[in-house]
Amino acid sequence: GAVVSQHPSWVICKSGTSVKIECRSLDFQATTMFWYRQFPKQSLMLMATSNEGSKATYEQGVEKDKFLINHASLTLSTLTVTSAHPEDSSFYICGSQRASGKYEQYFGPGTRLTVT
Amino acid sequence: GENVEQHPSTLSVQEGDSAVIKCTYSDSASNYFPWYKQELGKRPQLIIDIRSNVGEKKDQRIAVTLNKTAKHFSLHITETQPEDSAVYFCAASYGTGNQFYFGTGTSLTVIP
Repeated sequence: GAVVSQHPSWVICKSGTSVKIECRSLDFQATTMFWYRQFPKQSLMLMATSNEGSKATYEQGVEKDKFLINHASLTLSTLTVTSAHPEDSSFYICGSQRASGKYEQYFGPGTRLTVT
Repeated sequence: GENVEQHPSTLSVQEGDSAVIKCTYSDSASNYFPWYKQELGKRPQLIIDIRSNVGEKKDQRIAVTLNKTAKHFSLHITETQPEDSAVYFCAASYGTGNQFYFGTGTSLTVIP
């Protein structure tokens, strides 16, 4: 149990375009989903926390109008990088937390975004 | 907000020896402390966790200890094996529905 998928696994886009990344919990319901950025050989930087049916809570310094997060169901959250720039190139990972009140967080495999 | 510090950043041990990684946190409200293992190019995998009402937890060769008073927790790996080589991250959270804050990671190398 506790399988999280992410799509796409990698994407290349041009500057100024938007990219949507999907995160799905396949065998459990996730009340809360998290989105992270990870730079090479660095830690996971929390971008936002998303509770189903509510607006996402963004961390300080993360532009909510640039990184749009939607958590419309207990199994799906999406991150849309709008008007992408080369500095948005990164590894984006989602994490899901069960709806049953469990504390554990399970991660998706990540999405490698390259903006040219 | 929470601030999690992790040491050391790199650690090399001989196969069969023990490895210890330490983390400190700043917010006394944090009550959940997981450890993740991340192999190159892969997702972080939860290996062990501890809640604030427990001082120690063990799972085979892996153990975690928590000192709430000092606000630090540690990962202990005994009888290390080459497949233990990876980057390990600690994290602190307020629990269900709340943010997770990660340490900076420790790159562990187990030398055969």
